Amino acid sequence: DARVTQTPRHKVTEMGQEVTMRCQPILGHNTVFWYRQTMMQGLELLAYFRNRAPLDDSGMPKDRFSAEMPDATLATLKIQPSEPRDSAVYFCASGLVQKERTAVETQYFGPGTRLLVL
Amino acid sequence: QKEVEQDPGPLSVPEGAIVSLNCTYSNSAFQYFMWYRQYSRKGPELLMYTYSSGNKEDGRFTAQVDKSSKYISLFIRDSQPSDSATYLCAMSGAGGGNKLTFGTGTQLKVEL
Repeated sequence: DARVTQTPRHKVTEMGQEVTMRCQPILGHNTVFWYRQTMMQGLELLAYFRNRAPLDDSGMPKDRFSAEMPDATLATLKIQPSEPRDSAVYFCASGLVQKERTAVETQYFGPGTRLLVL
Repeated sequence: QKEVEQDPGPLSVPEGAIVSLNCTYSNSAFQYFMWYRQYSRKGPELLMYTYSSGNKEDGRFTAQVDKSSKYISLFIRDSQPSDSATYLCAMSGAGGGNKLTFGTGTQLKVEL
């Protein structure tokens, strides 16, 4: 049963600390998304990658957030320095785009990382 | 104003009831419409996917899209306690990109 995995599942840290979240997409998927979910804003797209190349990171605060895909099996989202307003659930999702003109493919979400910044 | 508006609920219904969940949107470029279901402390999972206007049925679930009104709906017939979850609508424009814009979700509770 192929699944997106995320680590850690929970993270509590103090303001100013670096936070790194990891995601392993489903094997064979070529698109990876990072989302942030809060009660007030709902699910917001932070960044996404196709074939490991960043396509859009316009939803991400550039001064403190960074997203990378060092290889096809690992995506990372870093926050440095972290702030209390970053407290949220961060989801990774992956999908497979088979044709360039395919507008949407099913996105498979991981279980999320619950981040609390004190 | 957000591009996609969704009543957050919570919505509480008795078992067996018909549930109607709705979203409105402002971006006329949206062509692909999805409903995701999210159980507590889990990631969202795709429930229904429709393209442009019309209806789509899958078991007890029916998705409707009215592009002229910029309004989409999800109907759940014979609701079950296992349907208790948060339902998120999501939309995407044509031309690739695969960026989804989500509603904030409606929390549904189906009571015995």
